[in-house]
Parts: sequence; structure tokens; C-alpha cells
Amino acid sequence: DAGVIQSPRHEVTEMGQEVTLRCKPISGHDYLFWYRQTMMRGLELLIYFNNNVPIDDSGMPEDRFSAKMPNASFSTLKIQPSEPRDSAVYFCASSGSISYEQYFGPGTRLTVT
Amino acid sequence: AQSVTQLDSQVPVFEEAPVELRCNYSSSVSVYLFWYVQYPNQGLQLLLKYLSGSTLVKGINGFEAEFNKSQTSFHLRKPSVHISDTAEYFCAVSEAGNEKLTFGTGTRLTIIP
Repeated sequence: DAGVIQSPRHEVTEMGQEVTLRCKPISGHDYLFWYRQTMMRGLELLIYFNNNVPIDDSGMPEDRFSAKMPNASFSTLKIQPSEPRDSAVYFCASSGSISYEQYFGPGTRLTVT
Repeated sequence: AQSVTQLDSQVPVFEEAPVELRCNYSSSVSVYLFWYVQYPNQGLQLLLKYLSGSTLVKGINGFEAEFNKSQTSFHLRKPSVHISDTAEYFCAVSEAGNEKLTFGTGTRLTIIP
């Protein structure tokens, strides 16, 4: 298996633009997690899905952030409009039921200028 | 809610010396505990996990950790470190049976040749 795949690996955009981050989880995994990592706040869970259904989105910072999982093999995290404080590395992770081991993707480094 | 404290933000260690990275947690319910490692510009990778059973857990790359319920600790140890162990190490906790992880702020391990 190729592992968790994220795209793009790097994204540079201007304030006010829409940003879409993409994730393909490991085949057969039924949990998917979106995290944000910054120097100031560390690693934060934004939202997670089970069987494509959002379970907990309490970490989503505000309405500018939205996440979808239209099927078992694809998820998106969208920021609209983006702001400089959204600059961070965004990780997607997936896990199988009862394994409690999350497999992380390589991350997307987002820079908003 | 659970929380994790990693008191040491940076730990320098000479090559082939032993190392201990400290982790304490707070929770009112039973917990699962994890250590993840993050190499530069990569996602996180599971080192080891404690779900139940023996309190001494062995993981990859020669690392081990011991769950101490009375001291609410889960310290990570390695008897002899190598240059390749240079990375950031994260302790994480979840409510037993719950997939949602709360991460500590991380400890940067630097190996001195």
C-alpha cells in the first residue's frame, strides 16, 4: 500500500483565496483524521470521520474551514477565505477499526501571504 | 477530557547513551497511551502503544515505555541512542475505546556525536 496520500505537498496562496487540501486514506481504513501543526499550537485535531461520517468537528477553528468525505477513498479540507494565520502544516491520518494506530500522510505545508 | 504534558521540549543526548523522554497524562477515565515519532519534514509514525495488559511496552527501533497508573506517566526509554534517532517525539492519549487522540507538545531529541 502507498500509505496515506496528501496533495499538494506545498501550497502558497494569497490572503482571501480559497484553498483545498486533499487526502486519500489507506484502503480499508474506516477512520480519517485532519490535523494542523504549528509551532505555537502544536498538533491539533481539526475533525475526524468514521465510515465517511463526521464524528467530531470541535477542533475546526471557524466557519472558514470545512471538510468533506464523499467516499471511503477521498477527503478534502477547504479554507475559504484563507488568512495568514492559517499558515501551518496540515496532516491527514487514517486508521482501521480497533487498531488505534493512526497512519499519517506526509502533510501539506500551507503558506498564506 | 484528557491532557498530556511533555515537560522537556528539548533533550540533547550523546550517541550510545541512554535516554528517557517524559510524559504525564491527566484523565478521569481509563486511557490508551501512545508514542509517535516525527522525522524532519515527515508525518508522524507510531513507535508503540499501550492499550491493556503488560505495563512495559516494546516498540520499534529499540524503544520501550512503561505505563505507571499511580504516577499517571508513560515515559519513553532507549538504552543506547543513535544519530538516526534524532527526531521529535510526541506522547498522545485517548479515552479507552475512543479513536480521538490528544497530543503533547513534543520533545525534540538531539543526538550528539
